[in-house]
Amino acid sequence: AIRMTQSPSSLSASTGDRVTITCRASQGISSYLAWYQQKPGKAPKLLIYAASALQSGVPSRFSGSGSGTDFTLTISCLQSEDFATYYCQQYYSYPPLTFGGGTKVEIK
Amino acid sequence: EVQLVESGGGLVKPGGSLRLSCAASGFTFDSFSMNWVRQAPGKGLEWVSSISSSSSYIYYADSVKGRFTISRDNAKNSLYLQMNSLRAEDTAVYYCARDFRGSTTLLGAFDIWGQGTMVTVSS
Repeated sequence: AIRMTQSPSSLSASTGDRVTITCRASQGISSYLAWYQQKPGKAPKLLIYAASALQSGVPSRFSGSGSGTDFTLTISCLQSEDFATYYCQQYYSYPPLTFGGGTKVEIK
Repeated sequence: EVQLVESGGGLVKPGGSLRLSCAASGFTFDSFSMNWVRQAPGKGLEWVSSISSSSSYIYYADSVKGRFTISRDNAKNSLYLQMNSLRAEDTAVYYCARDFRGSTTLLGAFDIWGQGTMVTVSS
């Protein structure tokens, strides 16, 4: 199984900050990577697919990059509604489909 | 409106069974692969199972293989998860989720999620 490792596991930031979250795959996954946002008590929301493609309706302050084993999710100007937990997921090789452990973005 | 609504969760004793359902609306259900993803309390997301649009391809996580069965009824726009031999570690919110690409048997990301249904396995 491909292991997805996110870092950091949590971070504190202020509104207006630029935030970067990293996801590393245990083997190459080309660009078969998605990013999700999850708020407490809610279902995850797809933000990015194919490593860098923005899902319809997602604000342009979210961007994704990378290929192979190393990926990043960047929030260019953090807004209050962006405080949440973010997960990466690979869909290159399955079963199993695998998620990263999550990165919690908290208010500083 | 594109929507997924899960039902069937509840409290069950270890070794017991439960059947989850997911009702889909607002899209052509029989064109999309469907999935179950779970989240234990305070933990991350874990993929459980996937089924292709015509049920030709079915996949399971090792943690549930042989105990859970995924199925779908395209005539009823419904997805199911039959869970047998339940264990304490199966306690989680179970989400059904749509694959983001239609008309393919390949699995991908999940673009539409239900609100989740809680399954608690405890004596």
